[in-house]
Amino acid sequence: DQQVKQNSPSLSVQEGRISILNCDYTNSMFDYFLWYKKYPAEGPTFLISISSIKDKNEDGRFTVFLNKSAKHLSLHIVPSQPGDSAVYFCAASAQSGNTGKLIFGQGTTLQVKP
Amino acid sequence: ETGVTQSPTHLIKTRGQQVTLRCSSQSGHNTVSWYQQALGQGPQFIFQYYREEENGRGNFPPRFSGLQFPNYSSELNVNALELDDSALYLCASSLDAVGGREQYFGPGTRLTVT
Repeated sequence: DQQVKQNSPSLSVQEGRISILNCDYTNSMFDYFLWYKKYPAEGPTFLISISSIKDKNEDGRFTVFLNKSAKHLSLHIVPSQPGDSAVYFCAASAQSGNTGKLIFGQGTTLQVKP
Repeated sequence: ETGVTQSPTHLIKTRGQQVTLRCSSQSGHNTVSWYQQALGQGPQFIFQYYREEENGRGNFPPRFSGLQFPNYSSELNVNALELDDSALYLCASSLDAVGGREQYFGPGTRLTVT
């Protein structure tokens, strides 16, 4: 039972253009969402997060949008840079829980071409 | 402030053997979570330790066990290794066990079971 899904295994964009990575979830108890970036041979690195009380959170080139009714979130990277090439994971958790365990999607490999 | 470290980097074991993986959390972080990442998948929650007590467990059998020590180090032990245990094992530390906290990941230990 995949509670968090990233349906696009890969995405290729040109440098300078927008990258849009998508994520869907099924569990309505999730109320906090995070994006992690992972380079080969490294652990996932926290990128940006959003609470369910918001529908948008922005940090520099990175913006996360949350559509609670559709149970969908997306990460926008503008402008995309070659150094953004990595695997991106979305993750969800329930703030009301007492473990803070993260449920991850399968990941999307982003390639930004120079 | 040092990051999260894990040892060893790589490990090869034979089916039926036992293995211990180690993690050193960020100073001040009293919560550590362990994840298993199979090839092509997102990390899957194994369990979490908060102040040296198990504080939540994912869908993993009892042969997966852990320990957390007062000096911010922790261990993941796996008994009776199976071929399917081959994966990247990640530990992540966080300030506490409150849902929604960012978790900071180590680089992982790549376990191969033959």
